[in-house]
Order: sequence, then structure tokens, then C-alpha cells
Amino acid sequence: GAGVSQSPSNKVTEKGKDVELRCDPISGHTALYWYRQSLGQGLEFLIYFQGNSAPDKSGLPSDRFSAERTGGSVSTLTIQRTQQEDSAVYLCASSFDSYEQYFGPGTRLTVT
Amino acid sequence: KNEVEQSPQNLTAQEGEFITINCSYSVGISALHWLQQHPGGGIVSLFMLSSGKKKHGRLIATINIQEKHSSLHITASHPRDSAVYICAALDIYDKLIFGTGTRLQVFP
Repeated sequence: GAGVSQSPSNKVTEKGKDVELRCDPISGHTALYWYRQSLGQGLEFLIYFQGNSAPDKSGLPSDRFSAERTGGSVSTLTIQRTQQEDSAVYLCASSFDSYEQYFGPGTRLTVT
Repeated sequence: KNEVEQSPQNLTAQEGEFITINCSYSVGISALHWLQQHPGGGIVSLFMLSSGKKKHGRLIATINIQEKHSSLHITASHPRDSAVYICAALDIYDKLIFGTGTRLQVFP
């Protein structure tokens, strides 16, 4: 079966532009997570969805970041007015309830 | 102080050596993950455990809930084990709190 997929795999954008990152979780997984890994840094939690609702948005670094999940499946992470410090690998993971998380390959975002 | 601490930060070994990576956490957890991140960046979940010990091939993970400590062991290490190993605590709100990782290099 298919794992977690993310698109695009790489995105280069100019400072100030908006970007949308997409995550397709494993079919049937109820929980979906977004993480960020900046260059040379550890992994950082951003947001977590249980179904379509996001009980924990505490990791979003600013109000330029938002995420939604529709139909209990696909999720998009949107970054408005991108800044150079937003450059990172954005990782998505999914799990069935609170069981083991399966990670996607990530989207490498570069803001120039 | 990080809520999840790993040691060592860097580890080199000769092929065949027994390797231990340690993880201590200060938060209440429902489970603990050990993750492996290869140089290409992909992350694989190795173990998720909430008590005792789990074994998969040459990998063994243990957790002591009372001491808030977990260890990842690699027996008969091999160069292909070279990666960053990350300990992550799943807190009671289902949020993963990551350690800073241990970079392992195994030389032939």
C-alpha cells in the first residue's frame, strides 16, 4: 500500500510569495501531523489534526502559517508572505489514532 | 533544558561494534518513538514503545518509565546503520517532542 506522500518535493519561492504544501496521508489514518526541520536543526512540531480538526496548533511559528485538512484525508500547509527563515524541510506524518507515525518524504522549501 | 535529551550527540564506531544511544525525557508520555533519518532526509519509525523492550533484527529498544529513560541498541553494527537516530516522546496531548538526534557513523 502507498505510504504518506507529499508534494511538491522541492519548492523554491521568492520572499513575500505564498506557498502551499500538500500531504496525502495513508488511507484510513485519522491523525495527521506537520513538522519542520530547518537546516542543521532538529525536528519541530507545527500542528496536529485528528480528523479534520486541529486540537493543537501551538507549534505554528507565526500567523503567516495555517493548515487545513478536508475529508479527513489530504492536508495543506500554507505559508503566506514567505520569509527566508521559513526555508526548511516540511515533513508530514500520519497515524491511526495515537499509534505509530509514518513519515512522508518531506518538501524542501527554499525562500530566496 | 530540552524536554527530551539524547546522548551522545555524535558517535563513531567500527563495523561489528555494539552501539547504545540514550534518551531521557522530563515530560509525561504515552509512548516513545525511535526514528532513523538517513542522509537523504527520509525518516523511518524504528520503534514505538510504552513499556519494556522491543526487538527488530539487530535493533533493540528499551524503556524504563519510572526512570524516564530509553535506550536504542544496535548489535553487530554495519556501515549502512550510519544515520541520525532521533528519540521522540509522544506527550499526553499526542504531540511528538523530539530530541536533538544522535549522528552515528559506522566505519568498515
